[in-house]
Amino acid sequence: EIVMTQSPASLSVSPGERATLSCRASQSITNNLAWYQQKPGQAPRLLIYEASTRATGIPARFSGSGSGTDFTLTISSLQSEDFAVYYCRQYSTYFRTFGPGTRVDIK
Amino acid sequence: QVQLQESGPGLVQPSETLSLTCTVSGDSITRNVYYWVWIRQPPGKGLEWIGGVYYSGTTYYNPSLQSRVTVSMDSSKSQFSLRLSSVTAADTAIYFCAGNLAYWGQGILVAVSS
Repeated sequence: EIVMTQSPASLSVSPGERATLSCRASQSITNNLAWYQQKPGQAPRLLIYEASTRATGIPARFSGSGSGTDFTLTISSLQSEDFAVYYCRQYSTYFRTFGPGTRVDIK
Repeated sequence: QVQLQESGPGLVQPSETLSLTCTVSGDSITRNVYYWVWIRQPPGKGLEWIGGVYYSGTTYYNPSLQSRVTVSMDSSKSQFSLRLSSVTAADTAIYFCAGNLAYWGQGILVAVSS
């Protein structure tokens, strides 16, 4: 099983500021990593796949980077609608696994 | 646009079997690009991958649940299903069906309680 960890567990950010979220895999997953945003009462929404490719309709302020075991999601200028929980997910193996999430809330 | 919709009972008795169905619309469930999966989320907690079935019918399961889980596909109905046996209160969660990375159902809350 590939174990995914995320840091920090929570992050307080002011609107307009930059947020940097980290995700680490217990072994190399090359670039088989996705990032999701989840708001209360909703299903997760795909933001990034292949570690750095934005999904359809995702604003350019969201960017992903990394490969191997260490990955980063950057939100360049937080908007009010960006306050949510963010999950990373590896799909390098048939048994997909998620990180525990990072909660981004308003400072 | 691929759409998914979960259906099934919202309450299951302890020790019984949880059964859910996901109906897929907008594309063929057997098109050779799809991996249909079930994911759950206990209230207020994170996401747990349960298992999935490829377009070919091949299945994969979370090792921690493997002894209790079956995922199957019925292409004639454009559906795939989840069965989780011997449930306990720890299986109370929102259950999502999903396809590949981007396609998700809205989720269904299943409570295990007598």
